[in-house]
Amino acid sequence: GAGVSQSPSNKVTEKGKDVELRCDPISGHTALYWYRQSLGQGLEFLIYFQGNSAPDKSGLPSDRFSAERTGGSVSTLTIQRTQQEDSAVYLCASSQTSYEQYFGPGTRLTVT
Amino acid sequence: AQSVTQPDIHITVSEGASLELRCNYSYGATPYLFWYVQSPGQGLQLLLKYFSGDTLVQGIKGFEAEFKRSQSSFNLRKPSVHWSDAAEYFCAVGFTGGGNKLTFGTGTQLKVEL
Repeated sequence: GAGVSQSPSNKVTEKGKDVELRCDPISGHTALYWYRQSLGQGLEFLIYFQGNSAPDKSGLPSDRFSAERTGGSVSTLTIQRTQQEDSAVYLCASSQTSYEQYFGPGTRLTVT
Repeated sequence: AQSVTQPDIHITVSEGASLELRCNYSYGATPYLFWYVQSPGQGLQLLLKYFSGDTLVQGIKGFEAEFKRSQSSFNLRKPSVHWSDAAEYFCAVGFTGGGNKLTFGTGTQLKVEL
């Protein structure tokens, strides 16, 4: 079946612009996660959605970052007033059973 | 807070040689442990997982890992490496009550020499 999909695959933006990154989870998966992978770094947890519960936003690095999940499916990660340090690969994952997460291919964000 | 350490940033092995990638975690309770692999330009693929039970777990692509509670380790092994195994490998840990979010190590880049 279809895996997790993310769009765009690459995004180049100018410093100060807003960007939106999209994630389509695997159908039926109730949990959705966003991670950030910076050059030479591991994966940094950003935010987690589980069903209709309030999201766990504990990993968002600043108030410029926000995410929403509409209808319990598609999610959008928004970064406002982008900075160069926001350049990274943003990975989305979804899961049905506890902990076993399936990842999308990521969106590579470059802020110039 | 839990943490995951992968002490080897880069490892180079010859094709056909055995492989062991190290992973240590720091957490008081029994964690849930994972190994993921990431090929260039790709997302992460789950290789194997440990939740409970047998401490030696088998995964895809001929990989296995052993959970050693006394050493807080979950090392990944493969008896004979193939050139296609060249990739970056990430160890990750989750725990009950952690909201299912995973903490990842910084990764080990594996290079395979032909």
